[in-house]
Amino acid sequence: DTAVSQTPKYLVTQMGNDKSIKCEQNLGHDTMYWYKQDSKKFLKIMFSYNNKELIINETVPNRFSPKSPDKAHLNLHINSLELGDSAVYFCASSQESRRAATNYGYTFGSGTRLTVV
Amino acid sequence: RKEVEQDPGPFNVPEGATVAFNCTYSNSASQSFFWYRQDCRKEPKLLMSVYSSGNEDGRFTAQLNRASQYISLLIRDSKLSDSATYLCVVNEHDIPTFGRGTSLIVHP
Repeated sequence: DTAVSQTPKYLVTQMGNDKSIKCEQNLGHDTMYWYKQDSKKFLKIMFSYNNKELIINETVPNRFSPKSPDKAHLNLHINSLELGDSAVYFCASSQESRRAATNYGYTFGSGTRLTVV
Repeated sequence: RKEVEQDPGPFNVPEGATVAFNCTYSNSASQSFFWYRQDCRKEPKLLMSVYSSGNEDGRFTAQLNRASQYISLLIRDSKLSDSATYLCVVNEHDIPTFGRGTSLIVHP
C-alpha cells in the first residue's frame, strides 16, 4: 500500500500549457511538501503545507501554486509552462508539524518526470 | 557559495570494501542532519538521521563534526545493492538543504 503516491509518473507537454500533479499520502502525516530535482540532481524545496496552511514558499515563480483540499492531499498546479520547468517533481510528507522535517525526515513519492517541449 | 557540498564521485569500490563519504555545510547554526539514499530514477529514501554523538545502523555509521562542520557516512562490508547516490540533508534556519549527492558503485 503506497504511502505517498503522486500522479502522473510522466508528463510531456508543450510550452504555455497549464498542468497539475496530484499527491496523496495515507500516513496520517501533518505536513506535505513539493520538491523539484533539476538536471543537476539538486533537490530543492518548493512548498510545504501544514494543516492547509502554506508555511514555506521558496523563490518559486507564482506560476506554481500548491493546492491542498485536505490534510492528505497536496496538488501542484503549474501555469504557462516553460522549458526550464522540465525536472522531476517529488511530493513528500512528514509527521512533523513544522516547516522542515528536522526530527523524522521525509517520505517521498515516486516522482513526476515533467518534460516541457 | 554552496551551502551543502558533497563530492559527486563516483566512488567505485569492490564488494566487501569500507567506504566513507563526507558532506560539508556552511551554517554553524544548522539544527539537524540526515542521510538519504536515491537509486537511479527513484525517489530519495531516508537512510538514517545523524546524531551529535554518532550513530550506527547495521553496516552504516553516521557521524557529525560540528567543529569542522561536516557529517560523514561510513559503509562497511559493501554490498552490490549499496550502489546508489547518497544525499545529505542539512536543516538550516528550519529550512532543508539537500546536497547534490555522492554516487557509489559497488562492483563484484
